[in-house]
Amino acid sequence: QLQLQESGPGLVKPSETLSLTCTVSVGSLSTSSYYWGWIRQPPGKGLEWIGSFYYSGNTYYNPSLKSRVTISVDTSKSQFSLKLSSVTATDTAVYYCARQSSMIVVVSNFDIWGRGTLVTVSS
Amino acid sequence: QSVLTQPPSVSGAPGQRVTISCTGSSSNIGAGFDVHWYQQLPGAAPKLLIYVSINRPSGVPDRFSGSKSGTSASLAIAGLQAEDEADYYCQSYDSSLSGWVFGGGTKLTVL
Repeated sequence: QLQLQESGPGLVKPSETLSLTCTVSVGSLSTSSYYWGWIRQPPGKGLEWIGSFYYSGNTYYNPSLKSRVTISVDTSKSQFSLKLSSVTATDTAVYYCARQSSMIVVVSNFDIWGRGTLVTVSS
Repeated sequence: QSVLTQPPSVSGAPGQRVTISCTGSSSNIGAGFDVHWYQQLPGAAPKLLIYVSINRPSGVPDRFSGSKSGTSASLAIAGLQAEDEADYYCQSYDSSLSGWVFGGGTKLTVL
């Protein structure tokens, strides 16, 4: 059964770059059937989509974060990564990686999630 | 301010039926884009509950049902049980943002 696991530092200093990796346990990130995405959830708040990528190389970012976000993929390691630059305390959140169920954007949902990892931005 | 609007909280007694609304606009639900629902138990990752507005993944009880009309969607939970106490989120695609959007979430309390 497919599993996703987030990893990376739990503490990042303000103005630095947050870097996380998602490792996919089964299957290939190169499949045309899915998007793969990042979502975050500040403590006590709701979910916010950060960005997603498709195997063709296309990436999609939340406009509110676009200037600071980069998503990349290493298919040889079955991993995809998130980089968020110039972080502030408002970027403190649980960060989730997830598989998106369809290559059709308008029907795509997040059907398999990682457990999430808490990243705190503090000096 | 979320693109999709949900009530912050709903409550019901065991055995009762509750509904959670999700209101969007002409660039998301009103454009005909599908709505999906997630259940997030305390301390856990969200779990897909309803997809493409009305479908349940394997293992989700038929007490959970979804509907969509116009610029809104609803999640209904019948026969409330204590273990249904959780946060619920709706999600769709938004053409103005060219990305996926979530509702602000609704906390369900089972009295």
